[in-house]
Amino acid sequence: KAGVTQTPRYLIKTRGQQVTLSCSPISGHRSVSWYQQTPGQGLQFLFEYFSETQRNKGNFPGRFSGRQFSNSRSEMNVSTLELGDSALYLCASSLVPTPNTGELFFGEGSRLTVL
Amino acid sequence: AQSVTQPDIHITVSEGASLELRCNYSYGATPYLFWYVQSPGQGLQLLLKYFSGDTLVQGIKGFEAEFKRSQSSFNLRKPSVHWSDAAEYFCAVGPYSGGGADGLTFGKGTHLIIQP
Repeated sequence: KAGVTQTPRYLIKTRGQQVTLSCSPISGHRSVSWYQQTPGQGLQFLFEYFSETQRNKGNFPGRFSGRQFSNSRSEMNVSTLELGDSALYLCASSLVPTPNTGELFFGEGSRLTVL
Repeated sequence: AQSVTQPDIHITVSEGASLELRCNYSYGATPYLFWYVQSPGQGLQLLLKYFSGDTLVQGIKGFEAEFKRSQSSFNLRKPSVHWSDAAEYFCAVGPYSGGGADGLTFGKGTHLIIQP
């Protein structure tokens, strides 16, 4: 059974640009969550999607957005990139929304560097 | 708001020795508690979780954790560590249902180093 797949794994952007990250959940999983991981702030919750609807959103500015498609694949977008957006962006999937199962299956992440 | 504190940023343990990683949480209700492990360049893997019931929970890879409500703690233990246990360990609590953001709240992590 394939795990959570995130693309691209690495990318470099410059300030002011925008970026789109993709996440394919485990087959059958309908919930997708996104987290930002940085050395200073650690892991922070971005948002969660279930059945194409955003259930929850963390304390991030509106530049951070996401969506989920009918096949449960999800994308997140960051517009007008800032240096502080450099981070590892982790996607996690679960059968149903947290915390009902408690187990999030994480991908390996997309490492974004903003120059 | 909920929060998680992992007091030890780094811990060094000799291979074969016992391990305890500390985790303290702040939460307004009965928490859901988790321990995740992250190896270099990898995503996070769930080691164990506590929802309710028996306060001593068993996880994968020989890990266990004990929920102590009176101390607001959920410490992770392993009786004998292996070199392959070297990784970053994260304690997490969730969700917050008091009007704030949901999702898991993670501690800053403890970096485990195994000495031969």
